[in-house]
Parts: sequence; structure tokens; C-alpha cells
Amino acid sequence: KAGVTQTPRYLIKTRGQQVTLSCSPISGHRSVSWYQQTPGQGLQFLFEYFSETQRNKGNFPGRFSGRQFSNSRSEMNVSTLELGDSALYLCASSLQGALAQETQYFGPGTRLLVL
Amino acid sequence: AQTVTQSQPEMSVQEAETVTLSCTYDTSESDYYLFWYKQPPSRQMILVIRQEAYKQQNATENRFSVNFQKAAKSFSLKISDSQLGDAAMYFCAYITAGDDKIIFGKGTRLHILP
Repeated sequence: KAGVTQTPRYLIKTRGQQVTLSCSPISGHRSVSWYQQTPGQGLQFLFEYFSETQRNKGNFPGRFSGRQFSNSRSEMNVSTLELGDSALYLCASSLQGALAQETQYFGPGTRLLVL
Repeated sequence: AQTVTQSQPEMSVQEAETVTLSCTYDTSESDYYLFWYKQPPSRQMILVIRQEAYKQQNATENRFSVNFQKAAKSFSLKISDSQLGDAAMYFCAYITAGDDKIIFGKGTRLHILP
């Protein structure tokens, strides 16, 4: 099976712009989670989608949003970019999203640089 | 709120030696799960080992084993016969049973010395 793929791998934006990141889960996986990784804050949970519905959300402002399509692919959008949004954004997929019992498979990440 | 603390930002170990990475956590829950993830330079997170809190037996996966001390809220990872490919950032993580929000520690960067 192909692994989790994320596009683009690298992105440079300027403050105030918006950005959309894409994540394609492993075939058959219905849950997609998004994480932000920065040197200062570490790895933080953004949100999780299952069957096109957001089931869980971390403590991020409303500028961070996402959606999931019927084929389980997910997009994450950040509007009005700030310098502090520069980070590695990881997505992970699992079968049902029961993360305690299932294994999450992570993608390679999208590195976003905001200038 | 639950927290996960990794007190060692960086560690080094000689190839073929054994190293232990520390992790402590804080929770008032009784049913939870703990994980160690590895993030090599490729940046892709890989699950190394999982421990269910209700299990007293320490989890083991080949050269990787944990020392789970529930009362002390400690969950350390032992890597035996360290290999160059073990060089990576290691994250300790926690999930409360029934809650799919995973909480990560800040990570420990492990260097393997040839």
C-alpha cells in the first residue's frame, strides 16, 4: 500500500496570505489528523477528520481550518498567515481514528515558511 | 490537563551500546495509552512502541522496550544494541482512553556515535 502523502512538501508564503495543504491517507483509512511541529511548541494536535466530519479540535485559532472529502483526502487551510505559523505540518491517517487502539501512519510533512 | 515531559533534549550513545530515554507524564485518568514515536531526518513519524496503562507487563518490540512505572507516572524507552539508523528525534506521547487527542512531549534527540 502507498503511504500517506502530503503536498506540497515545501511552501513559502508572506504574512497575510492564505495557504492550503493537502493530505492523502493510506487507502482504506477514514481518519486524518493534522499536527503542527515547531521548535518552540513541539508537536501539537490541530484537528481530526473522520468521514468528512471534524471530530476533534486542538487549541488553535479559527484561522486554522480543514475539511475532508468523500475519498478521505483532507485539506488544511490557514488564513491570514502570521510569522509564527512557520512550521512543519504533519498529517496522519488511521483506519477509524481510535488512536489508542490503532496505529497512526504519518506523512512526510509540509514545511511552511512565512516571511 | 494532561502533560508529557521529556527532560533530556539530547542524548548520545555509542553504537552497539544501550540507551534509555526518559518520559514522565501527568494525568488523573486511570485508563490511558502511552507511545514512543521516532522521527528520523526524513521527518516522518514512526510508531516505535505502544503501552496500555492497564497492562502491567512492559511492552517490547525487538531492540526497543519500555519501563512503565504507573505509580510514578514514568515511561522510559530502552534501546539495546544501538544502531546508526536509530539516530532520530524520539517523542513520548499520551492518549486518554476514549479521547483521540494525542499529547506529545517536546522530544529527545538521540545521536549514535560510530
